[in-house]
Parts: sequence; structure tokens; C-alpha cells
Amino acid sequence: DGGITQSPKYLFRKEGQNVTLSCEQNLNHDAMYWYRQDPGQGLRLIYYSQIVNDFQKGDIAEGYSVSREKKESFPLTVTSAQKNPTAFYLCASERGQGNSPLHFGNGTRLTVT
Amino acid sequence: AQSVAQPEDQVNVAEGNPLTVKCTYSVSGNPYLFWYVQYPNRGLQFLLKYITGDNLVKGSYGFEAEFNKSQTSFHLKKPSALVSDSALYFCAVRDKAAGNKLTFGGGTRVLVKP
Repeated sequence: DGGITQSPKYLFRKEGQNVTLSCEQNLNHDAMYWYRQDPGQGLRLIYYSQIVNDFQKGDIAEGYSVSREKKESFPLTVTSAQKNPTAFYLCASERGQGNSPLHFGNGTRLTVT
Repeated sequence: AQSVAQPEDQVNVAEGNPLTVKCTYSVSGNPYLFWYVQYPNRGLQFLLKYITGDNLVKGSYGFEAEFNKSQTSFHLKKPSALVSDSALYFCAVRDKAAGNKLTFGGGTRVLVKP
């Protein structure tokens, strides 16, 4: 079945450590997105990529980094510069931009202590 | 700047009763509107979308939504709610005039009681 796989489902890290969240899709979608979800705040866009080797900052990119070396993969690194990294992270992909809906992975819950 | 408002944090409804989840939006151009549903610890699932055409859009699981341009609203409805409809619902808008950015509302939690 085609879809988006995020791993791991739960991730625990100590403060000051960088951590990388995995996102893989086999939908052959060009565009991929990373969102952060906090209670009561909906989804906020971190980074997005429309094609391989290109990506743009979203609304809350500070403290995060991404790469898009392959069409299928869009990993997100949460760096130690992110002041409040504990959150639920969602990856999504889209066939093209415009009227296509986003397809979401099942998320990674990151807890930093 | 475009925005989406979901004025109700939570909606409670008895099973079998009609369900409505409200959404209003603000864009500079013509909107593309979407509804998604999220179950606990899962990603969002697409329910339906309005791009153009008929103002009443039918989607998955018996849901529908009505696009009202004059009121800039896109309320989600279901004639007869099920306990399994209990979830978090998100409205989202995309404005091609604003670079196709997708903006989500804050979400509305729906609780359907047996």
C-alpha cells in the first residue's frame, strides 16, 4: 500500500541533543511538508519541499533543519537551538500544489527532558 | 494574510443527532478549502474539499460541507452522528494568490455521546 511512514512513533531525548525524525513516502509525490502540532494550536508549518534538493522555511523554522536528497525522503532534524521541542511532529506529502489534499503520516511524538 | 477560524474548541452531540463543525476563512483570492479528521496519536485524514462548482460538497464517512462565499464559511456537517465520529477536526484553506500556502484552523474536538 502506498503511504507515508514516520519513524519512530515515540522519541525521547535529553535537552541539548540533536534528533532526526524520519519521513518516507512511496506515493511518488513531489511536495513534502513538516508540521508541528501542539495542544490547542492546530498545525504549524516548519519546512516544506516542492522538489528534490530544494526546500523552504515555513512559519516556525528556527531550531529545525531538513534535507531532500531523494524524492521519497524528507528527514527533519530538531536541533538543540529549538527552545521548546517537545511536540507531535507530522509529515505530509502532496502530488502537486493547489487542489490536491495532503497525505499525512501517523506522526512522531518527541519528548525532550 | 490568509486565516482560518474554528470558533468552537469542542462540540458535544448525542449519537444520531446532526453534527455541525464551524469554519470561517479569510483569503485575498479564491479559496481552496479542506476538512481533515484526526484520531488520537494519528495523522490527519482527508475528508473533503471545495475547489469550485457546487457549493455543497460530499466527502468520506457521510460528511458534507457547504461553501458560503458571502459568509466566508465552510461548515462541516453530518446528518446523523456516530460515536466513532468522535475525533479532532481541522479546517484548512489554500489561496493560490498567496503562493498556495495551506493554513489550518486550530481544530475542533467532537464528542459524540451514546
